[in-house]
Amino acid sequence: QSALTQPPSASGSPGQSVTISCTGTSRDVGGYNYVSWYQQHPGRAPKLIIYEVNKRPSGVPDRFSGSKSGSTASLTVSGLQAEDEADYYCNSYAGSRSLVFGGGTKLTVL
Amino acid sequence: EEQLLESGGGLVQSGGSLRLSCAASGFSFSSFAINWVRQAPGKGLEWVSGVTGSGAATYYADSVKGRFTISRDNYRNIVYLQMDSLRAEDTAIFYCAKEYTSLSRGSFDVWGQGTMVAVSS
Repeated sequence: QSALTQPPSASGSPGQSVTISCTGTSRDVGGYNYVSWYQQHPGRAPKLIIYEVNKRPSGVPDRFSGSKSGSTASLTVSGLQAEDEADYYCNSYAGSRSLVFGGGTKLTVL
Repeated sequence: EEQLLESGGGLVQSGGSLRLSCAASGFSFSSFAINWVRQAPGKGLEWVSGVTGSGAATYYADSVKGRFTISRDNYRNIVYLQMDSLRAEDTAIFYCAKEYTSLSRGSFDVWGQGTMVAVSS
């Protein structure tokens, strides 16, 4: 159950797009289409923004999109807005009902 | 409105025990798996444990296996996390979280506000 690898930081200007990667192995990200992404503002609980690689829960803007290639999943935030500044975490199913999270990426809107 | 509310956190000495509770409301409780996720101060999220909707199956991260026990009471709509042999590295905010669908794996759409557990060494 090793943590998935995310870049510690990412940044972009308002209106731009930014992509955050989440790298695992064939035993987690590469083996299942159960990758989720969460947004967490300081002092708040995480919020689900992407599930099953590329699906958005109701109420999540379509500026947020997910994809996967091999053992790397990606979250793209388009049309960056000030309120998108937050920490972002990926997680993946890893078999036998276990889960693994990424280390998190701090997104800064310049 | 779907809600989860944790309680039971606090300060405990290394080697001690705590029982966390997660009270649910606003959804068909027995239809959804509930998980515990923790976050050490200033650190990332770590999955801890999960229990299926019926309570028949439970799952644990290697870091807590043999020390933590998850259970649920589907009459009272509560999930418990019994934590024994606590260590300093267990210090964290503990969140309970509901699976988005009955078929999802790791997609948590409802989270509680968290309860802080601090273990002194």
